[in-house]
Amino acid sequence: SQTIHQWPATLVQPVGSPLSLECTVEGTSNPNLYWYRQAAGRGLQLLFYSVGIGQISSEVPQNLSASRPQDRQFILSSKKLLLSDSGFYLCAWSVAGSSSPLHFGNGTRLTVT
Amino acid sequence: SQQGEEDPQALSIQEGENATMNCSYKTSINNLQWYRQNSGRGLVHLILIRSNEREKHSGRLRVTLDTSKKSSSLLITASRAADTASYFCATDAWGGTASKLTFGTGTRLQVTL
Repeated sequence: SQTIHQWPATLVQPVGSPLSLECTVEGTSNPNLYWYRQAAGRGLQLLFYSVGIGQISSEVPQNLSASRPQDRQFILSSKKLLLSDSGFYLCAWSVAGSSSPLHFGNGTRLTVT
Repeated sequence: SQQGEEDPQALSIQEGENATMNCSYKTSINNLQWYRQNSGRGLVHLILIRSNEREKHSGRLRVTLDTSKKSSSLLITASRAADTASYFCATDAWGGTASKLTFGTGTRLQVTL
């Protein structure tokens, strides 16, 4: 069966520090991968998605970047965090192609102080 | 921007009662999906309904879709305390090689004994 791992679960970082969140998927090949952010009490905002190694599409201009160095690995990064980067970050995967359900990790709660 | 808007924002019912949540959206879609989120966790996919479908069932869940009114509803029958969670609708309006879902702000459901 397929599983998705996301870490860390919680993170407190000072303003101006770098960020690296990692997500890996097991049990499937060539998945589509996604990073979403959820503000407190709000819906999810799509940040990045990837349909293959090295292929990253950005949905929202921001202080963040994403990379996909391996087929089942997706990394969310920032060189210098802002207060506004605080939130709940969720990684997800779907079967390649359109109109597929998303399968989410358990998220990372990021607090920028 | 948020494509889907759920109504009500919060719903409190007793165990055994039915819960109905509504979702409205603004543009044409390929499919609409419903997800569930327990507090502090990732989202879990519940059901996907395509634009050419009007109703779909899965266990105690019934989803309807009215594309002329750009609205959907999720009915949970015979609710249980374990159904307590936030429920989100998400629309896929792209139809490309990835599921670029736009999520609503969610309905918080509380089921009491």
